[in-house]
Amino acid sequence: GQNIDQPTEMTATEGAIVQINCTYQTSGFNGLFWYQQHAGEAPTFLSYNVLDGLEEKGRFSSFLSRSKGYSYLLLKELQMKDSASYLCAVTASNYQLIWGAGTKLIIKP
Amino acid sequence: GAVVSQHPSWVICKSGTSVKIECRSLDFQATTMFWYRQFPKQSLMLMATSNEGSKATYEQGVEKDKFLINHASLTLSTLTVTSAHPEDSSFYICSAREADRDYNEQFFGPGTRLTVL
Repeated sequence: GQNIDQPTEMTATEGAIVQINCTYQTSGFNGLFWYQQHAGEAPTFLSYNVLDGLEEKGRFSSFLSRSKGYSYLLLKELQMKDSASYLCAVTASNYQLIWGAGTKLIIKP
Repeated sequence: GAVVSQHPSWVICKSGTSVKIECRSLDFQATTMFWYRQFPKQSLMLMATSNEGSKATYEQGVEKDKFLINHASLTLSTLTVTSAHPEDSSFYICSAREADRDYNEQFFGPGTRLTVL
């Protein structure tokens, strides 16, 4: 079956670094996405990984290991506005997105 | 670029009525559009995938006669919730995949909050 696991909730301090992990088991793999979703709003695109390695984009970085079925999203210099849910999604063999349940990130001053 | 709009942003209706939600890709052609539903504090749940000019593919457990999807053009898909009931109250989000794009990124609309009284 298709399965994506990520922690339900994490707490971090403003200015610190936090890593949100995502493991997946899917039928086929054609890329992994990270989205940010604030409460009551639609998801917004953060990153895309299809090859192994680290993709850096400003304060956010995303890492992928296809052999391990593992990805993480790294957020640096945390700001209060980073409080949101972070969704991991994998494109399976039929090009449909399989969504994780999301990780709610709480930033404390 | 890659903007997706939804209308209405929110709607309140009486039980038993039908509600239509529009999803438009404003600056690109979307061969495929997706309809999601999200209940409070839960993740996105894919309801159906619609391809322009063909019938939508519904996920298991989603009633196709209750949630009518039409994708008549490359820039417009509509979701009609027929005979809505309070349990249909939810946040409905559409997304669109751009034709001829290298990878499978989906661009999301802002969502429609439906409340059925």
